[in-house]
Amino acid sequence: AAGVIQSPRHLIKEKRETATLKCYPIPRHDTVYWYQQGPGQDPQFLISFYEKMQSDKGSIPDRFSAQQFSDYHSELNMSSLELGDSALYFCASSPPGLAGNKQYFGPGTRLTVT
Amino acid sequence: GENVEQHPSTLSVQEGDSAVIKCTYSDSASNYFPWYKQELGKRPQLIIDIRSNVGEKKDQRIAVTLNKTAKHFSLHITETQPEDSAVYFCAASNGNAGNMLTFGGGTRLMVKP
Repeated sequence: AAGVIQSPRHLIKEKRETATLKCYPIPRHDTVYWYQQGPGQDPQFLISFYEKMQSDKGSIPDRFSAQQFSDYHSELNMSSLELGDSALYFCASSPPGLAGNKQYFGPGTRLTVT
Repeated sequence: GENVEQHPSTLSVQEGDSAVIKCTYSDSASNYFPWYKQELGKRPQLIIDIRSNVGEKKDQRIAVTLNKTAKHFSLHITETQPEDSAVYFCAASNGNAGNMLTFGGGTRLMVKP
């Protein structure tokens, strides 16, 4: 079965640079979520989109922005990167209807800021 | 906002024994409670979930129980196997599409052969 696709899988950036992470949800899933997970930590919710509109917002820094496009893929844009942004970034997607709260995670993008 | 507490943080069991992980939540509006298994460097994998209108759910060796009144829910794994070794996260949500999951701190389960 098709899964959530994230690209790139690994990214190395320097402080103050920008990064763009991409997420392609499972086909026919209409909701996308972004989570940040530091080493040894639980995933922290950043932001979500339902039918291309922002749905919920968590602890996302003002330096980050995200959107969902007409084909339902999503991009997380990160500017003025800081060392503390180094983490695993997961995208998850969920289907429409009654199963809409089941979130399926992608493989993650490991971001390293040096 | 929601706060989810999970314990124990580490759990070591002998192969074949049972393992129990417990979580409590604070927001009475939460009505959806999934459990995820995460191996090192891999994605969280949804293994079982329960909604607030159900008290218990079972899937082969895995079961989850929910006590809405006490605001706690538990994961039970029976006949543990070495491949069950991983970090397990509980989470809570109000169950609407697009709504965030709030995770517990995780339990590192080690199953010794």
